[in-house]
Amino acid sequence: GQNIDQPTEMTATEGAIVQINCTYQTSGFNGLFWYQQHAGEAPTFLSYNVLDGLEEKGRFSSFLSRSKGYSYLLLKELQMKDSASYLCAVRGSGAGSYQLTFGKGTKLSVIP
Amino acid sequence: KAGVTQTPRYLIKTRGQQVTLSCSPISGHRSVSWYQQTPGQGLQFLFEYFSETQRNKGNFPGRFSGRQFSNSRSEMNVSTLELGDSALYLCASSLVPSTGGSEAFFGQGTRLTVV
Repeated sequence: GQNIDQPTEMTATEGAIVQINCTYQTSGFNGLFWYQQHAGEAPTFLSYNVLDGLEEKGRFSSFLSRSKGYSYLLLKELQMKDSASYLCAVRGSGAGSYQLTFGKGTKLSVIP
Repeated sequence: KAGVTQTPRYLIKTRGQQVTLSCSPISGHRSVSWYQQTPGQGLQFLFEYFSETQRNKGNFPGRFSGRQFSNSRSEMNVSTLELGDSALYLCASSLVPSTGGSEAFFGQGTRLTVV
């Protein structure tokens, strides 16, 4: 099975940098994903890591260490619109295990 | 191109009733996954369909079922509703299963309230 942990809430200041951590324990691993979900809206894809290292996409970056079962999402130059929940999800591997298992999400509040 | 469409957006049902939710994936997408989202449990996987066949199933009771039609549209059904079934039900579509998350698109969800 899969177990995914991430902080419940975080607060950061507009213009700052924030790092949201995610740790996971899985019986198989075929990629880690980060989604953003604004209140009342659908989750939207942010990033995907399957190999160790950093993936950068504009203001957002995601890092993965498979040996440590650890990932983080880094948000730079925070904007008020970044206030949302950030969901870490792991995809299993092997026959019949392609579904995503999500963490409970980290609610980020960006303050002026 | 149109996104993932879920209907209805909101639904209120009474305990013991049954409900059917619908999901129309993005044109050309053949894989549909369903998730239940609640404040306490987060997003939990229900099942995944591809080419009208259920590929995976999460840890939900048999009251939760689904199906996929030849046009890739999918429905999920919940029978004998319980108060705890109140949740946001999300559908995600992708071209094929087991591809990267960038190809999984979520619908706006159906907010089910059981009273």
